[in-house]
Amino acid sequence: NAGVTQTPKFQVLKTGQSMTLQCAQDMNHEYMSWYRQDPGMGLRLIHYSVGAGITDQGEVPNGYNVSRSTTEDFPLRLLSAAPSQTSVYFCATGKKGGYTFGSGTRLTVV
Amino acid sequence: TQLLEQSPQFLSIQEGENLTVYCNSSSVFSSLQWYRQEPGEGPVLLVTVVTGGEVKKLKRLTFQFGDARKDSSLHITAAQPGDTGLYLCAGHQGGSEKLVFGKGTKLTVNP
Repeated sequence: NAGVTQTPKFQVLKTGQSMTLQCAQDMNHEYMSWYRQDPGMGLRLIHYSVGAGITDQGEVPNGYNVSRSTTEDFPLRLLSAAPSQTSVYFCATGKKGGYTFGSGTRLTVV
Repeated sequence: TQLLEQSPQFLSIQEGENLTVYCNSSSVFSSLQWYRQEPGEGPVLLVTVVTGGEVKKLKRLTFQFGDARKDSSLHITAAQPGDTGLYLCAGHQGGSEKLVFGKGTKLTVNP
């Protein structure tokens, strides 16, 4: 089992470009979430989903969109990238007893 | 305002020493989790505590949940270089699905 797979691992974008960060899980969990991690800021919740067709905002949702059409996939879309979105992005899945994280996508916006 | 405050932010010790890391809040949590993260990787779950006063042990690591469920601590006995990493506490408030994180404690254990 792969657990949580994030692609790509690295990405450089120009300001204003759009892209989708992919997250796929094979653990059959209903809950999935996206975090960003910045130096000195810890992990901050962007969006989360408690099941297919259901999404909600976290602490820092501005500039990001999500959708959940299947249990397995939870893509994160940046519609118009900004330098402030330079960060490491983590996807997680699991139950309240503990989550499994992907290995992250390091995004740089220039 | 950070919901979960971790201290210290940085800790550098020698192999064999003991240490304690703290995770504090003014809010009550239904559960608290501890994760360890190594460079270039995602956080990995170490333990979840759910009952006030609960103590869990994982080899040389001892985790405690405060009686009022507002704080937690992680104690490492006889630290080893392999314990080096970023230790993160995270918690759920009430019935919320949201998992909020502290900023972490970066631990370095020198040989």
